[in-house]
Amino acid sequence: DIQMTQSPSSLSASVGDRVTITCRASQIIYNQLNWYQKTPGKAPKLLIYGATSLQSGVPSRFSGSGSGTEFTLIISSLQPADSASYYCQQGYSYFPTFGGGTKVEI
Amino acid sequence: QVQLVESGGGVVQPGRSLRLSCAASDFSFNDHALYWVRQAPGKGLEWVARISSHGNEDHYADSVQGRFTISRDNSKNMLYLQMNSLRGEDTAVYYCARDPGAPGRAMDVWGQGTTVAVSS
Repeated sequence: DIQMTQSPSSLSASVGDRVTITCRASQIIYNQLNWYQKTPGKAPKLLIYGATSLQSGVPSRFSGSGSGTEFTLIISSLQPADSASYYCQQGYSYFPTFGGGTKVEI
Repeated sequence: QVQLVESGGGVVQPGRSLRLSCAASDFSFNDHALYWVRQAPGKGLEWVARISSHGNEDHYADSVQGRFTISRDNSKNMLYLQMNSLRGEDTAVYYCARDPGAPGRAMDVWGQGTTVAVSS
């Protein structure tokens, strides 16, 4: 199975800060990488698909980059509503594994 | 609107069975692969199972292989997860999710989740 490693596991930042979350795959997955936001009591929300494509309705302060094995989610100007956990997920194999998550506190 | 609604969760003893259901609405159900994903208390997201749009192909996480079965009824717009030989580590919120069909096996529509607690 493809292992996904996220870093950091948690971070604390202020409103307006630029936040970067990294995800590394254990093998090449090309651009088959998706990002989700998860808040307690709510369903996960797709933010970015195909490593760089913004899902419809997601604020433009979210962006994704990377290919191969290294990927990044960037929140350009952190907002209070962004307090959540963020997960990467590889879609390269039929076994779509998630990263361990990054908890963002404001 | 496009929606997935799970049901069937509850408290069950170890070793027993439970079947989860997921009702879909307002999209072309048989055009999409579907997933079950779970989140145990205090843990991250874990993919459980995937079924193809026509139901002829399925895949499972190692942790549930041989105990869980994913199925679908395209005539009823329903997805199911039959869970047998349940263990304490299966305690989680279970979500169904839709694959939009673009390359990359993303999950673009999610249900609200149903809670399964395995306890004696």
